[in-house]
Amino acid sequence: GIQVEQSPPDLILQEGANSTLRCNFSDSVNNLQWFHQNPWGQLINLFYIPSGTKQNGRLSATTVATERYSLLYISSSQTTDSGVYFCASMTTDSWGKLQFGAGTQVVVTP
Amino acid sequence: ETGVTQTPRHLVMGMTNKKSLKCEQHLGHNAMYWYKQSAKKPLELMFVYNFKEQTENNSVPSRFSPECPNSSHLFLHLHTLQPEDSALYLCASSPGGSETQYFGPGTRLLVL
Repeated sequence: GIQVEQSPPDLILQEGANSTLRCNFSDSVNNLQWFHQNPWGQLINLFYIPSGTKQNGRLSATTVATERYSLLYISSSQTTDSGVYFCASMTTDSWGKLQFGAGTQVVVTP
Repeated sequence: ETGVTQTPRHLVMGMTNKKSLKCEQHLGHNAMYWYKQSAKKPLELMFVYNFKEQTENNSVPSRFSPECPNSSHLFLHLHTLQPEDSALYLCASSPGGSETQYFGPGTRLLVL
């Protein structure tokens, strides 16, 4: 199956800083999603982005499908951005089988 | 977000107990999923259902038994679990197999 690798595994930010999280995947994908998991375990959808660029407030994401990576940008970070960020992807021959990366633990300090 | 709900939110059970987890989606989706998230491990897909039919069993032990009576409801029946089955169990749904998956809040399970 597809391999999904995220970096860095941990990130500590001062409030107001910008950061970039990376997701590499090993095969062509028809689904790539970014999630934020809050301290209570809820996975919150951030982006569905198998290709291209999207923005939502202070967050934006870019997927370069031909080079098999995706980036999540957090700008002007806030303490509420703390949590684990997951990338997950799926190939065209893996109906419904979303493969998750190990996540990036982000801590934003005041 | 109330699109996907799960009950109970927390569950403690002994190894000889039988319990069930329930998931309900109010989004009109056709596909539903069970995932397991153990401490310090990525989310692992357990089961996939499409229009009530199981399309994927990711080598899950038989002590976990899924049931999908209709496209809106998904159950996970648990029996004779082991302590290593303690984890967060997440349900998700999507319109189709390659589209955005939406997750419920999860059930935190502790097996004693």
